[in-house]
Amino acid sequence: SQTIHQWPATLVQPVGSPLSLECTVEGTSNPNLYWYRQAAGRGLQLLFYSVGIGQISSEVPQNLSASRPQDRQFILSSKKLLLSDSGFYLCAWSKGLTTGELFFGEGSRLTVL
Amino acid sequence: AQSVTQLGSHVSVSEGALVLLRCNYSSSVPPYLFWYVQYPNQGLQLLLKYTSAATLVKGINGFEAEFKKSETSFHLTKPSAHMSDAAEYFCAVSVYGGATNKLIFGTGTLLAVQP
Repeated sequence: SQTIHQWPATLVQPVGSPLSLECTVEGTSNPNLYWYRQAAGRGLQLLFYSVGIGQISSEVPQNLSASRPQDRQFILSSKKLLLSDSGFYLCAWSKGLTTGELFFGEGSRLTVL
Repeated sequence: AQSVTQLGSHVSVSEGALVLLRCNYSSSVPPYLFWYVQYPNQGLQLLLKYTSAATLVKGINGFEAEFKKSETSFHLTKPSAHMSDAAEYFCAVSVYGGATNKLIFGTGTLLAVQP
């Protein structure tokens, strides 16, 4: 069966520091991968998605970037965090051009102070 | 553009009462629609999905939803609420853009269940 892992689960970082959140999928190949951000009272916002190694699509301009160095690895990064980057970050995967159903990881809570 | 709107950011019901969470969609093509549940500090779990087959969709934990094209609605219901149903619920629509499908989520409805 397929599983998805995110780490770290919780992170507290000062403003201006770098960020790296990692997501790994097991049990499938060539998944589509997604990063969402959930801010308090604002639902889920799609940040990035990827359909293959090195292929990244950005949904909104922001202080974050994403990379996919391996087929089942998706990384969310920032060079300098802002207060507004605080939130709950969710990684998800789907299998090709299907109905769009996503399978989510457990999330990473980022607090920027 | 395709989107979903969830009416009511907070809903409170008594244990054993009917649960009704509202979702309306906007789509120019037949949509794929989803309901997800999120427990505190966890990821999202799929409750059910509509993919243009039966209009009444049954999901996990006793939930179901009915696709009504005439009302552009996909409301989530459960006949009898349980304390364990307290969570946040998200409606979503699948959008094809660029290279793949993406899910666009509503702003969520937080369900409280009172004893």
